[in-house]
Amino acid sequence: EIVLTQSPATLSLSPGERATLSCRASQSVSSYLAWYQQKPGQAPRLLIYDASNRATGIPARFSGSGSGTDFTLTISSLEPEDFAVYYCQQRNNWPLTFGGGTKMEIK
Amino acid sequence: EVQLLESGGGLVQSGGSLRLSCAASGFTFSSYAMSWVRQSPGKGLEWVSFISASGITTYYADSVKGRFTISRDNSKNTLYLQLNSPRAEDTAVYYCARGAAVASRHLDSWGQGALVTVSS
Repeated sequence: EIVLTQSPATLSLSPGERATLSCRASQSVSSYLAWYQQKPGQAPRLLIYDASNRATGIPARFSGSGSGTDFTLTISSLEPEDFAVYYCQQRNNWPLTFGGGTKMEIK
Repeated sequence: EVQLLESGGGLVQSGGSLRLSCAASGFTFSSYAMSWVRQSPGKGLEWVSFISASGITTYYADSVKGRFTISRDNSKNTLYLQLNSPRAEDTAVYYCARGAAVASRHLDSWGQGALVTVSS
């Protein structure tokens, strides 16, 4: 099973700042990594698929990069609605696995 | 608009059974792979099961293999998850999710979830 490790566990930033979230895989997942956003009481929302492709309707301030074992989600300038929990997920191998999440909180 | 609506959640005794349903609308259900993902209270996301668009191919997490069964009825636009012999650790919100068209094992639409509570 591929283990995805997200860091940091919690990220405290202010609106307008740049956010950089990391996801590291225990073995290569090629570019088959997605990022999701989840707000309290809501279902997750797909942000990025296959490492760097924005999903439909996702603002351009969200970008993804990486391949192999190291991936990054960048939010260029935080909006108030961006404070949430973010998960990465790989689709390279069965079982599909998620990272443990990064909680982005307002500083 | 894509809509996924889960139903069938509730309280079930350990060792009992429960069937979750997910009614899909707003897209051609028979063209998309589907998955179930769960989230224990206060915890992260855990993928549970996958089914191909045709229903021929299925996959399961080791934690539920042999106890849960995923299925679909494309004539009814409905996805199912049969939970047999649930355990306390299966208590979670269960989400149905659609596989993305270009990457079916990434999940581009999610339902609001159904809470399953397993009592011992």
